[in-house]
Amino acid sequence: DVKVTQSSRYLVKRTGEKVFLECVQDMDHENMFWYRQDPGLGLRLIYFSYDVKMKEKGDIPEGYSVSREKKERFSLILESASTNQTSMYLCASRRDRVGEQYFGPGTRLTVT
Amino acid sequence: AQKVTQAQTEISVVEKEDVTLDCVYETRDTTYYLFWYKQPPSGELVFLIRRNSFDEQNEISGRYSWNFQKSTSSFNFTITASQVVDSAVYFCALSEIYGGATNKLIFGTGTLLAVQP
Repeated sequence: DVKVTQSSRYLVKRTGEKVFLECVQDMDHENMFWYRQDPGLGLRLIYFSYDVKMKEKGDIPEGYSVSREKKERFSLILESASTNQTSMYLCASRRDRVGEQYFGPGTRLTVT
Repeated sequence: AQKVTQAQTEISVVEKEDVTLDCVYETRDTTYYLFWYKQPPSGELVFLIRRNSFDEQNEISGRYSWNFQKSTSSFNFTITASQVVDSAVYFCALSEIYGGATNKLIFGTGTLLAVQP
């Protein structure tokens, strides 16, 4: 079974803090993704990576950055957290360009 | 532009009823994939099915069935004899295949299905 894990299920941070969300997959997948999920908006892609050290912006990259130093790990960074970044963050991985994505359990981030 | 529309925001049924979740998509490409995911209250999205644009055969898996119709750009999902455990948010998604390093999923906004005992 594909296993995608995220470092925290719940996180509370203060405005202006730097926040790191970690994602690890154990299936040697090439592609990894970060989404945020908000009521009524579905899932929106923040960033994705198709190889180590390679990244591409998704649909809503503003206020976020990412890091992929190892194939199995993909980190999402909020440089200076703001209240409008309060959301559910979902990480996913995929073996190749066209297959299904496998999701982690999500991190519910609250910025106060 | 790609777009996925799930017009049903919420559906409530009583256990053992059949229910159909609608998904309509827009794409200019002739080659693409369609997906359904389930998100139970625990939060983790679970992959249910992938269908490519060249395969219009309907698929059945236990109580689940999918109806793909290119003529109407729809990929509907039916649950037969619904159960309380089917209560979840269901997402339809579209992935175009194009040149480049990878391709993205475009998700609909989801349908919340509540199955009452």
